[in-house]
Amino acid sequence: DSGVTQTPKHLITATGQRVTLRCSPRSGDLSVYWYQQSLDQGLQFLIQYYNGEERAKGNILERFSAQQFPDLHSELNLSSLELGDSALYFCASSVSGQLPGPNYEQYFGPGTRLTVT
Amino acid sequence: AQKVTQAQTEISVVEKEDVTLDCVYETRDTTYYLFWYKQPPSGELVFLIRRNSFDEQNEISGRYSWNFQKSTSSFNFTITASQVVDSAVYFCALRMNSGNTPLVFGKGTRLSVIA
Repeated sequence: DSGVTQTPKHLITATGQRVTLRCSPRSGDLSVYWYQQSLDQGLQFLIQYYNGEERAKGNILERFSAQQFPDLHSELNLSSLELGDSALYFCASSVSGQLPGPNYEQYFGPGTRLTVT
Repeated sequence: AQKVTQAQTEISVVEKEDVTLDCVYETRDTTYYLFWYKQPPSGELVFLIRRNSFDEQNEISGRYSWNFQKSTSSFNFTITASQVVDSAVYFCALRMNSGNTPLVFGKGTRLSVIA
């Protein structure tokens, strides 16, 4: 158990819908990262938050957005869903997200498997 | 640009055999960090090891060992006396020490250990 929690574990929804994925980082971790794992694209970084502020953006679609709340939990919002958005979405957390500086390892949650039908 | 290549897509071994998973990386940075993660069939990503670019010492942890060679930009992972529980997808990842670039993952190597 990494200490990172994600809900829900599974999500099935229809095209065009909107969903919210939730992540709680490990106790003491300030940085939260979202990754998408799909068969064709592999594991890809979406977005990072550090202590409530957006820190880095990766291959995140405009239909997707995220935020980190004062209690440090984070939510990833996916809207206007398409079949291609079906994937495993991981949240990870680390002690520090500040660069340059020590690069603490990222601990991953169990993931949310999203199926768009 | 940063890139991680895991050329072996799938490997199948018989239990108790040794197996090495290859990882080759590309980066122009002089300071960077390398990682290995394990993804068992249950789906979660389990952190195995972090290696700093300025520390080329190899590491052993039980049946696991890692060989870091800057000269060949490789960070290979060896499992000694493999067991069925080692069956998983293994990912090598790279992170810079500059800029806002979180983990860059390789495509992963699926290891099947057969009893």
